[in-house]
Amino acid sequence: SQTIHQWPATLVQPVGSPLSLECTVEGTSNPNLYWYRQAAGRGLQLLFYSVGIGQISSEVPQNLSASRPQDRQFILSSKKLLLSDSGFYLCAWSPQDKPLLGQYFGPGTRLTVT
Amino acid sequence: GEDVEQSLFLSVREGDSSVINCTYTDSSSTYLYWYKQEPGAGLQLLTYIFSNMDMKQDQRLTVLLNKKDKHLSLRIADTQTGDSAIYFCAEIRDSSYKLIFGSGTRLLVRP
Repeated sequence: SQTIHQWPATLVQPVGSPLSLECTVEGTSNPNLYWYRQAAGRGLQLLFYSVGIGQISSEVPQNLSASRPQDRQFILSSKKLLLSDSGFYLCAWSPQDKPLLGQYFGPGTRLTVT
Repeated sequence: GEDVEQSLFLSVREGDSSVINCTYTDSSSTYLYWYKQEPGAGLQLLTYIFSNMDMKQDQRLTVLLNKKDKHLSLRIADTQTGDSAIYFCAEIRDSSYKLIFGSGTRLLVRP
């Protein structure tokens, strides 16, 4: 069966520091991968998605970036964090051949920028 | 989630049925989903429905879709305390990978 991992689970970082969040998927090949952010008390907002290695689409202009160095690894980065980057970051995957049957989410990373 | 709207809160008694409602605005929505989020956790896909269907049942869950009114509902039969969570409605449109979420409905199940 497929599993999705995210780390770290929680992170407290000062304003202006860099960020690297990692997501890996097991049990499937060539998945579509997604990064979402959930602000407190709000729904989710898609930040980036990837349909293959090195292929990244950005949905929201911001100081974040994403990379996919391996087939089942998706990384969310920032060079300098802002206070507004605080939130709950969720990685998700969907099957490459059936992307519309639902996206499957990881446990999330709670980021607090101080 | 400006295109998908949900009521913020629902409280029911254990054993009763819960009905969580959602409205969406884009008629090109082709797939609609219900997700469950427990405190501090990721989202769990509960069920989905294609836009050419009007009902889907899966054990205690029943999804109803009214395309004319752009209204989606999730009914949970025999609601249990373990069903307490936030429930998100989401839509995806033709040729898109982007899930558009509502703000979520917090369901509280009272013993």
